[in-house]
Amino acid sequence: ETGVTQTPRHLVMGMTNKKSLKCEQHLGHNAMYWYKQSAKKPLELMFVYSLEERVENNSVPSRFSPECPNSSHLFLHLHTLQPEDSALYLCASSQDSQGPNEKLFFGSGTQLSVL
Amino acid sequence: AQKITQTQPGMFVQEKEAVTLDCTYDTSDQSYGLFWYKQPSSGEMIFLIYQGSYDEQNATEGRYSLNFQKARKSANLVISASQLGDSAMYFCAMREGLITGFQKLVFGTGTRLLVSP
Repeated sequence: ETGVTQTPRHLVMGMTNKKSLKCEQHLGHNAMYWYKQSAKKPLELMFVYSLEERVENNSVPSRFSPECPNSSHLFLHLHTLQPEDSALYLCASSQDSQGPNEKLFFGSGTQLSVL
Repeated sequence: AQKITQTQPGMFVQEKEAVTLDCTYDTSDQSYGLFWYKQPSSGEMIFLIYQGSYDEQNATEGRYSLNFQKARKSANLVISASQLGDSAMYFCAMREGLITGFQKLVFGTGTRLLVSP
């Protein structure tokens, strides 16, 4: 079983749909992240949850709504998206130990296409 | 603001040869961390190597080494003895703020490496 699992792998949705992306980590970590990866652009940090509390929200539009019900699960609820929201959405986790070299463990991402 | 620059959109190397992927960074922090990640076609970002700003030795992890030149603000990744499985996107990243517990990484735009037989 991989450390960080994301579902679905691919998602196509219309601009009026509501969908959710799911992330689950099996590493016992206590911090989880959503990143957006668009073509030819650096990864953009969207949200960070540490100990199930949202600690970072990088000016993300309200049509993206994160949820972290426990330290192992993270969701990204999507509604009324725009075509420019099409991207690879990556989930990651880490151990919030304040170690400077603590690395992120990523899932394989959800490739989202908004029509 | 912190920034990572990767000027090579694509690199080619023959199998068994060494290749250097460039990364320069900009920060006003004295304490920072630099990471390299590999992203194969499967999409998952895989951690390769880490270098702390106060580390005196260049980091090494197997076939990966980091050529850290602090004065030039560069952190180039060297892959020795390239293998076909090394073909992937490679991202340089910097950790913002070493005080907070969680990792807030700033990424570059990446370099696509293609290893030929």
